[in-house]
Amino acid sequence: EVQLVETGGGLIQPGGSLRLSCAASGFTVSGNYMSWVRQAPGKGLEWVSVIYSGGITYYADSVKGRFTISRDNSKNTLNLQMNSLRAEDTAMYYCVTNPGGGGNWGQGTLVTVSS
Amino acid sequence: DIQMTQSPSTLSASVGDTVTITCRASQSISSWLAWYQQKPGKAPKLLIYKASSLESGVPSRFSGSGSGTEFTLTISSLQPDDFATYYCQRYNGNSETFGPGTKVEIK
Repeated sequence: EVQLVETGGGLIQPGGSLRLSCAASGFTVSGNYMSWVRQAPGKGLEWVSVIYSGGITYYADSVKGRFTISRDNSKNTLNLQMNSLRAEDTAMYYCVTNPGGGGNWGQGTLVTVSS
Repeated sequence: DIQMTQSPSTLSASVGDTVTITCRASQSISSWLAWYQQKPGKAPKLLIYKASSLESGVPSRFSGSGSGTEFTLTISSLQPDDFATYYCQRYNGNSETFGPGTKVEIK
């Protein structure tokens, strides 16, 4: 059974950094393309970043240059390093497998950027 | 970047109705389109991938169609469990943009 568990969220001041992790089980992260998606309170879904199985990465314009997606194959985890955080980055962050590969979502981890 | 739009933004319907939601891409995305259902406080659930392929375990009253720039999600014989928000998403490209969502409400 595929399971995704996100950790690392919390309250952080503007300008700060956080590292989110997504522990995967039931499949190998390295063999799938995976994304981070976020949802601000009361808002719609916003795609953040994707990493393909070959290692190619893409980012939404809103986070380009501030966020970095990566994989740790030894731990079977997906990561998101978030720097220079802004109030508008406040959201629930989900890791997601590709829609053609089951489209599984974790339960999310909440990031709150506030002073 | 490719933009995704959905219509309507809100849809009022009754149990047993057939409803259709439209998703449009600003340029062709072939069939790289997914549909999700989200209920309050829950993570989204994949319904349809590659425009018309039904995800395993999803009831057959959900169906998807379209290619290129125009896509539809149809829910036949709406059930009480189907009242939720639905999102389309373009995937398998250099951005995986979501549509703004369609809320299906009880009439």
